[in-house]
Amino acid sequence: AQTVTQSQPEMSVQEAETVTLSCTYDTSESDYYLFWYKQPPSRQMILVIRQEAYKQQNATENRFSVNFQKAAKSFSLKISDSQLGDAAMYFCAYGTSGTYKYIFGTGTRLKVLA
Amino acid sequence: KAGVTQTPRYLIKTRGQQVTLSCSPISGHRSVSWYQQTPGQGLQFLFEYFSETQRNKGNFPGRFSGRQFSNSRSEMNVSTLELGDSALYLCASSFGHDLYEQYFGPGTRLTVT
Repeated sequence: AQTVTQSQPEMSVQEAETVTLSCTYDTSESDYYLFWYKQPPSRQMILVIRQEAYKQQNATENRFSVNFQKAAKSFSLKISDSQLGDAAMYFCAYGTSGTYKYIFGTGTRLKVLA
Repeated sequence: KAGVTQTPRYLIKTRGQQVTLSCSPISGHRSVSWYQQTPGQGLQFLFEYFSETQRNKGNFPGRFSGRQFSNSRSEMNVSTLELGDSALYLCASSFGHDLYEQYFGPGTRLTVT
């Protein structure tokens, strides 16, 4: 069965600094998708970034980028120039083509210190 | 464009009762997924509907059921409530094809006493 593991329950970062959130997953599939979602204290979950497994190039969205290591089954999120508004729960998620079922990790709470 | 709406936002029920939660997707979205979120467990996938058909379901007991209507609105029902069913129930909508972004609603906070 596919699993997603986020081993850091909580992380802290100083404003303007860079932080990396870790995510590992287990799968025997070759075609899948990986996502990072952000859930601010207001609880509306929003997509931060996504990565197709077949793409070797790491996805980037403004200050957010991923380090996708397919062989190691690792998918970390790097947040550059951290802002107070980045404080939230971050969830890593996995989806397999054609199953329409997404598996989420347990989340990492990110605190941004002023 | 209006976002995903969920009703009610908060609900308190007693053990043994049943509950129905509603989700209205973004206009044009045909897929609705349901998740149970609890502290320490993250989001657990319940089921996904597309054009009134359940395409996949998670590992939850049969007390959890759902359906989707022709206008893509979806409901989930939990019968014979247990204390462990207390959670935030999130629904997410999308166009229904792989890799399309899921848009989440604010959730329904269910407390079972």
